[in-house]
Amino acid sequence: AQSVTQLGSHVSVSEGALVLLRCNYSSSVPPYLFWYVQYPNQGLQLLLKYTSAATLVKGINGFEAEFKKSETSFHLTKPSAHMSDAAEYFCASAGMDSSYKLIFGSGTRLLVRP
Amino acid sequence: SAVISQKPSRDICQRGTSLTIQCQVDSQVTMMFWYRQQPGQSLTLIATANQGSEATYESGFVIDKFPISRPNLTFSTLTVSNMSPEDSSIYLCSVQTGIGGSGYTFGSGTRLTVV
Repeated sequence: AQSVTQLGSHVSVSEGALVLLRCNYSSSVPPYLFWYVQYPNQGLQLLLKYTSAATLVKGINGFEAEFKKSETSFHLTKPSAHMSDAAEYFCASAGMDSSYKLIFGSGTRLLVRP
Repeated sequence: SAVISQKPSRDICQRGTSLTIQCQVDSQVTMMFWYRQQPGQSLTLIATANQGSEATYESGFVIDKFPISRPNLTFSTLTVSNMSPEDSSIYLCSVQTGIGGSGYTFGSGTRLTVV
């Protein structure tokens, strides 16, 4: 069954430091993969998505993610954290079967220390 | 991409009552999805609603508790029945907007508090 695992429910970084949020998917066929961000009391915002084109995907706000089939991973990175990046981040996978269900990981809360 | 209007945006309900949440899309879409986000948690898929057929529910969700209607290609409702405080969550609808599973749009959500 399709699943998404996000390692680390909380990640804390200093402002200006590298951000690395981990996501691994479980699927026999490489799925479509997404990263969403949710700020407190707000809706979901799409950061970026992988749809089988380039394996390195650039998104909004300086974030990017690399699809690695051999590692079944789609980790999210940002070279330099900003205080405004503090939020909840969700990795999601869309199945390649006819259901096209979007399944979410458990989420990672990013804390940015001044 | 599609624009979704979800109503109500929030509600406070008495336990034992039911609430119907509406999701209106500005274009015709084949698949609509309903999610629940419990406090401090991720999004959990409740069901997939296709027009002209019964909704398909995920494990742990049943039609008696979460009946869904999908009368046409632009509209769907989710009812939360016989509510208890454990049903307090954000409920979101979503539509598939990209080819295959390449894109999705989400409604702004309904924040439900059951007292």
